[in-house]
Amino acid sequence: EAQVTQNPRYLITVTGKKLTVTCSQNMNHEYMSWYRQDPGLGLRQIYYSMNVEVTDKGDVPEGYKVSRKEKRNFPLILESPSPNQTSLYFCATALGSYNEQFFGPGTRLTVL
Amino acid sequence: QQQVKQSPQSLIVQKGGISIINCAYENTAFDYFPWYQQFPGKGPALLIAIRPDVSEKKEGRFTISFNKSAKQFSLHIMDSQPGDSATYFCAVIRRALTFGSGTRLQVQP
Repeated sequence: EAQVTQNPRYLITVTGKKLTVTCSQNMNHEYMSWYRQDPGLGLRQIYYSMNVEVTDKGDVPEGYKVSRKEKRNFPLILESPSPNQTSLYFCATALGSYNEQFFGPGTRLTVL
Repeated sequence: QQQVKQSPQSLIVQKGGISIINCAYENTAFDYFPWYQQFPGKGPALLIAIRPDVSEKKEGRFTISFNKSAKQFSLHIMDSQPGDSATYFCAVIRRALTFGSGTRLQVQP
């Protein structure tokens, strides 16, 4: 079954404690992306990757890091989380940037 | 800067009615215009999309109207059903996908 998985689904942490949210896809897609969703702001792109070892900043990259060492995985790293990073995070994948994006189930992050 | 402005924020429609959601964009370099549908607790899913060389695209009860000169595009849901109740996002693409702020649609039975 084609799917995008994210872990963890829910996370409560404290300011400054490094965390990683994983994203994995089994669709052999080249393009992967991370978004955050906040009420009234819609979904905003954090980072995207057109291919392995190629990543680019989206609209709100500050405070986040990503890596794309293999096609199927695209982890989102928060080196020093702050309360303003409390949000719902989605990973998405696609054949290419102009193709339909398939979204994961989301990760709800709370930073205290 | 907000590249895509979506309205209304929320919309209540009676069953069988027409739901209309509008989006306006600023950058003429965008070249793909999708609409995504999101149900509570789920990630967004592609509903319908249009390229700028087409003025209208219809898929079932869903239609996109595109006005390139006005830099506007809209989603029309004909014969709206309670199952259409969801949040709808317009988006624009040029390498990266930029979403509008979303419209929460409620279709009353």
